[in-house]
Amino acid sequence: DIVLTQSPASLSVSLGAVASINCKSSRNLYYFDGDYLAWYQQKPGQPPKLLFYWASTRASGVPDRFSASGSGTDFTLTITSLQPEDVAVYFCHQFYTGPQTFGQGTKVEIK
Amino acid sequence: HLEQSAAEVKKPGEALKISCKGSGYTFTTYWIGWVRQMPGKGLEWMGIIYPGDSDTRYSPSFQGRVSISADNSLNTAFLEWNNLKASDTAIYYCTRHVSGASNPYYIDVWGEGTTVTVSS
Repeated sequence: DIVLTQSPASLSVSLGAVASINCKSSRNLYYFDGDYLAWYQQKPGQPPKLLFYWASTRASGVPDRFSASGSGTDFTLTITSLQPEDVAVYFCHQFYTGPQTFGQGTKVEIK
Repeated sequence: HLEQSAAEVKKPGEALKISCKGSGYTFTTYWIGWVRQMPGKGLEWMGIIYPGDSDTRYSPSFQGRVSISADNSLNTAFLEWNNLKASDTAIYYCTRHVSGASNPYYIDVWGEGTTVTVSS
């Protein structure tokens, strides 16, 4: 199975500051049509919500303070100007091959 | 939209089948998957089915423990256990995956989840 390792496990950031989350894959996730990686946000008591797919394509309705980058085995989710509603757990997800797998999650809190 | 069945409380050894009804799209043209989230833990991909041709795939971690099926006449997918254990206590999300040429891609829609509690 492909292992996705997220870092850090948790993050405490001041309002308005930048939060960065890394996701490292045990295998190259790039194929001819893109990087097979997605990011999700899960707020307490809710199901996850799609943020980005193909590593950096923003899903509909996602604020532009969220950005995602990376290719191959190393990926980053960045939240600029953290807002109270961004408190959540963030997961990366590879759909390059089965079984699909998720990172262990990164909890983002307000300092 | 994915509508999941209500929460369940079961005893160890019992059987269970939970459901996920798709609406607002052509049910047979998207993969439907299942994801487990144990209390306070992360997301685990269990398996997936393509209702269009019933292609079903399981994570090795769940192969033989659960069964995934679909009834296209009801636009509904199912996740089934024959012999529940206390360790099956979790929230189970059904998920809609964007479809690639012959493989599932990322999840664009999540159900609200079905909480399954297994306790004697």
